[in-house]
Amino acid sequence: AQSVTQLGSHVSVSEGALVLLRCNYSSSVPPYLFWYVQYPNQGLQLLLKYTSAATLVKGINGFEAEFKKSETSFHLTKPSAHMSDAAEYFCAVTRRKTGGFKTIFGAGTRLFVKA
Amino acid sequence: GAGVSQSPRYKVTKRGQDVTLRCDPISSHATLYWYQQALGQGPEFLTYFNYEAQPDKSGLPSDRFSAERPEGSISTLTIQRTEQRDSAMYRCASSPDDGTGELFFGEGSRLTVL
Repeated sequence: AQSVTQLGSHVSVSEGALVLLRCNYSSSVPPYLFWYVQYPNQGLQLLLKYTSAATLVKGINGFEAEFKKSETSFHLTKPSAHMSDAAEYFCAVTRRKTGGFKTIFGAGTRLFVKA
Repeated sequence: GAGVSQSPRYKVTKRGQDVTLRCDPISSHATLYWYQQALGQGPEFLTYFNYEAQPDKSGLPSDRFSAERPEGSISTLTIQRTEQRDSAMYRCASSPDDGTGELFFGEGSRLTVL
């Protein structure tokens, strides 16, 4: 069975500070891992994905995440927060099934950015 | 279409009524997914289609929920005899055949059952 745990339902940082959103997963097979972002009144959109290539993955808007198998983690970071980063972030793990994939999402972390 | 389109965006209904939600996926995507997202939670898998086949509907909460994709493109999710606990955001996503499982989401349909 697969599961995803996001530590902290809310994270608040100052503009220009480091962003760190934590994600731990469990999976019985090598996982594909994703971070999705949801801005207000919009659908979820892909931020970045890990699919068993490089363990450090770079995404849009300066975000990156590192796959650490030994820690079963896939934490999301950004060196310097912008006001526009305020949104809800979802970590997800997926595995292949017949004709598709089954994706399990974490509960989400809402990021607040203070001026 | 260019993106995933869902309708209606908002639906308010009374308990006991039937509701149908519609999803028009990206035209080149074979796979289509339905998720339910309660307030403060992540999306929960309901079912998915590969063209018109429905390999997995294990996430549908009860037999009041059903989904169709008769021609392998547009899909509908129907909830019969709605209950207040059905109130949620219903999200549709489609996925290309690139082998990674990346999901392209619509803006969702927010259902409120009074």
